[in-house]
Amino acid sequence: DAMVIQNPRYQVTQFGKPVTLSCSQTLNHNVMYWYQQKSSQAPKLLFHYYDKDFNNEADTPDNFQSRRPNTSFCFLDIRSPGLGDAAMYLCATSRGTTEAETQYFGPGTRLLVL
Amino acid sequence: RKEVEQDPGPFNVPEGATVAFNCTYSNSASQSFFWYRQDCRKEPKLLMSVYSSGNEDGRFTAQLNRASQYISLLIRDSKLSDSATYLCVVGGATNKLIFGTGTLLAVQP
Repeated sequence: DAMVIQNPRYQVTQFGKPVTLSCSQTLNHNVMYWYQQKSSQAPKLLFHYYDKDFNNEADTPDNFQSRRPNTSFCFLDIRSPGLGDAAMYLCATSRGTTEAETQYFGPGTRLLVL
Repeated sequence: RKEVEQDPGPFNVPEGATVAFNCTYSNSASQSFFWYRQDCRKEPKLLMSVYSSGNEDGRFTAQLNRASQYISLLIRDSKLSDSATYLCVVGGATNKLIFGTGTLLAVQP
């Protein structure tokens, strides 16, 4: 059974049109992460939540926001998508934030911006 | 300098070959190290953690050299199903994972 679920798997949006990507988990993990992976590049952490505490990476653009209404769900909002935001967006979870905690990844949402 | 650097690849090897990937990391304070596997257009999946003493899982052997800040992955008796991108990953503070750009392995029949 899927443990980290991302919807939709593919998302097409128009330049400047807000879009929301969804992630849910059945692991009851405390931490949820959002990564951006562009073609032929490494996944790059955008931000993470430890419970309700939001932790933004210093170089994450303001255009990217996140919400975590409860333990199970986390959303990535892109307020005004640009062509450069086309990428795979990966959600991951872990029990905690100590080093060596395994992160479990969802299948990703591939975003296309027209 | 990138925080995690890997062999650029791609590696094209015949079935049954032994192949080794190397990785270096810049933060000497890093404490956790992993190899992830990523298939085309799929999510990264943990292949194995890497421990100071080195560890083996079937055909896969990982080594860590803290003094040289160097991690390796050895795959013996390559299978067609091993074809994928192998990501070297270093764990930082608050479990932040720093990914290398990956090395593409193509095992040929």
